[in-house]
Amino acid sequence: KNEVEQSPQNLTAQEGEFITINCSYSVGISALHWLQQHPGGGIVSLFMLSSGKKKHGRLIATINIQEKHSSLHITASHPRDSAVYICADISGGTSYGKLTFGQGTILTVHP
Amino acid sequence: NAGVTQTPKFQVLKTGQSMTLQCAQDMNHEYMSWYRQDPGMGLRLIHYSVGAGITDQGEVPNGYNVSRSTTEDFPLRLLSAAPSQTSVYFCASRTDPTGVTRGEQYFGPGTRLTVT
Repeated sequence: KNEVEQSPQNLTAQEGEFITINCSYSVGISALHWLQQHPGGGIVSLFMLSSGKKKHGRLIATINIQEKHSSLHITASHPRDSAVYICADISGGTSYGKLTFGQGTILTVHP
Repeated sequence: NAGVTQTPKFQVLKTGQSMTLQCAQDMNHEYMSWYRQDPGMGLRLIHYSVGAGITDQGEVPNGYNVSRSTTEDFPLRLLSAAPSQTSVYFCASRTDPTGVTRGEQYFGPGTRLTVT
């Protein structure tokens, strides 16, 4: 059974700090999602990646398929980045793209 | 495109009542899913569909029914509501996981359901 582990579970930062959230998964995947959810809000897809690195504004996502590990980085963090960040892997093979979700990382950025 | 829409946004039910949560997407996605999100449990798959007329159970299907008569719509029915079904429900659709976009997922805004 595939398992997705995120760390840390909770993260507090001061505005401007560089932030890293980690995600590890146990079996081979087709691709990996990073999702963002603001308190009481919907879920937004930030990135989907299957290799290398993607960047969007202050957000950077990397994945190492061999090590079964992905990271989400936020440069120059801001209070509006406060949210829950969820990684989810998309199974390959006969699982037909089913997602397995991590528990989420609660990020709080203080001004 | 409106993306994935869900109605209602909020609902309060009494134990034993039934209701249907509506979900629609206008992106012509074949794959649609229903998840529930509970504190400390993350997102859990209730039911999913890989196309019109085809549905299957996820991790936590008990107490829920789905049908998929069109590509656009994927309603979730609560047959006899129980307090344990108090949760936030998200509908999602995604592109073909075997295609170049590898199953990128789009979520609806969620329905917050309370069963008393």
